[in-house]
Amino acid sequence: GQNIDQPTEMTATEGAIVQINCTYQTSGFNGLFWYQQHAGEAPTFLSYNVLDGLEEKGRFSSFLSRSKGYSYLLLKELQMKDSASYLCAARVLGGYQKVTFGTGTKLQVIP
Amino acid sequence: GAVVSQHPSRVICKSGTSVKIECRSLDFQATTMFWYRQFPKQSLMLMATSNEGSKATYEQGVEKDKFLINHASLTLSTLTVTSAHPEDSSFYICSATRGRGQETQYFGPGTRLLVL
Repeated sequence: GQNIDQPTEMTATEGAIVQINCTYQTSGFNGLFWYQQHAGEAPTFLSYNVLDGLEEKGRFSSFLSRSKGYSYLLLKELQMKDSASYLCAARVLGGYQKVTFGTGTKLQVIP
Repeated sequence: GAVVSQHPSRVICKSGTSVKIECRSLDFQATTMFWYRQFPKQSLMLMATSNEGSKATYEQGVEKDKFLINHASLTLSTLTVTSAHPEDSSFYICSATRGRGQETQYFGPGTRLLVL
């Protein structure tokens, strides 16, 4: 089966750094995605990790440890517009590369 | 880029009617399309995976006779909610990938369905 855990909610201050953690237990793990979703909108792609290590992309970075079943999304220099839900999703091996989503972390950025 | 559109963006219908939602990849050929449902304050739940020219693969607990999926071409997949009931009211989102390799999913903007 697939199990993905992330905190339900987080609050951080504008200009600060926040780390959103995700742990997963999946059979046939084949990569981890992070998506951002604003209320009432579809998710937008942020990052993809398949190898261990840190991937940096502007203010956003994502880390993966396959041996620990752990990933985090790091957001630097927080802006008010970063208030959104952040979805961790694991891809599993299979004919169609299915992706299973976690429940998402709702981040609120405060002034 | 990789743009996916959905139509309609919002639909209100009476209980018992059927609703068709279209998902199109606008600037690429989508080998695989996925259909998700999302209830308020919950994450995306995969309903089914569809490939052009073959039958959709439904997730456990999803009624294939109620949620009809047709992937007629490499740029179009449709989801038909048959005999809709109020409990079918939800946010339906499709996504598409270019291939079966290390490809991210590109999401459509979603369709909000309200069944009265």
